[in-house]
Amino acid sequence: AQKVTQAQTEISVVEKEDVTLDCVYETRDTTYYLFWYKQPPSGELVFLIRRNSFDEQNEISGRYSWNFQKSTSSFNFTITASQVVDSAVYFCALEGNYGGSQGNLIFGKGTKLSVKP
Amino acid sequence: NAGVTQTPKFRVLKTGQSMTLLCAQDMNHEYMYWYRQDPGMGLRLIHYSVGEGTTAKGEVPDGYNVSRLKKQNFLLGLESAAPSQTSVYFCASRRMGPYEQYFGPGTRLTVT
Repeated sequence: AQKVTQAQTEISVVEKEDVTLDCVYETRDTTYYLFWYKQPPSGELVFLIRRNSFDEQNEISGRYSWNFQKSTSSFNFTITASQVVDSAVYFCALEGNYGGSQGNLIFGKGTKLSVKP
Repeated sequence: NAGVTQTPKFRVLKTGQSMTLLCAQDMNHEYMYWYRQDPGMGLRLIHYSVGEGTTAKGEVPDGYNVSRLKKQNFLLGLESAAPSQTSVYFCASRRMGPYEQYFGPGTRLTVT
């Protein structure tokens, strides 16, 4: 079975603090893909990153960074020097490679991040 | 280039009524998906399609039907709405291969 767990339901930080959102996944596939999406208060879903299971290099994009560790089945997301505009619900998602991969995403339940001024 | 659009944005139904949600994409994507989002539940897949004329069940298909008569459109139907179908519905599309899904703006449906 495939599963994504985001244990942190809500996190509140003060602007300029660093914050890490945890994501732990379960899959039996050897090839799989992990995603992060952002859902701001306006409601749309914004794609942030895709990572395949063979690429364990950490990735940095501006204030955002991602730490992928196969040994612990984790794909954590860190925001450095958080800003009020980072306030959103963040979803981690897993796509397996079963049956020719239909692209079906398994989503975690999301972490609501509130950044206070 | 509008991306993924959904019609309508909001709808209120009475129990037992039927309706169709329309999703359209202009990116020539092969794959299309319907999700529902409920508080504290994340997004759950209802149905999906890997090409024109094909559909398949996702995690929570009961009470819904879908059709993909044209590549750019994916319709989600509720034949007899129930209060348990009150939710926000998102459509998404993706090109063939392990790429990101592009989401529509969502439809907020309330069934009373």
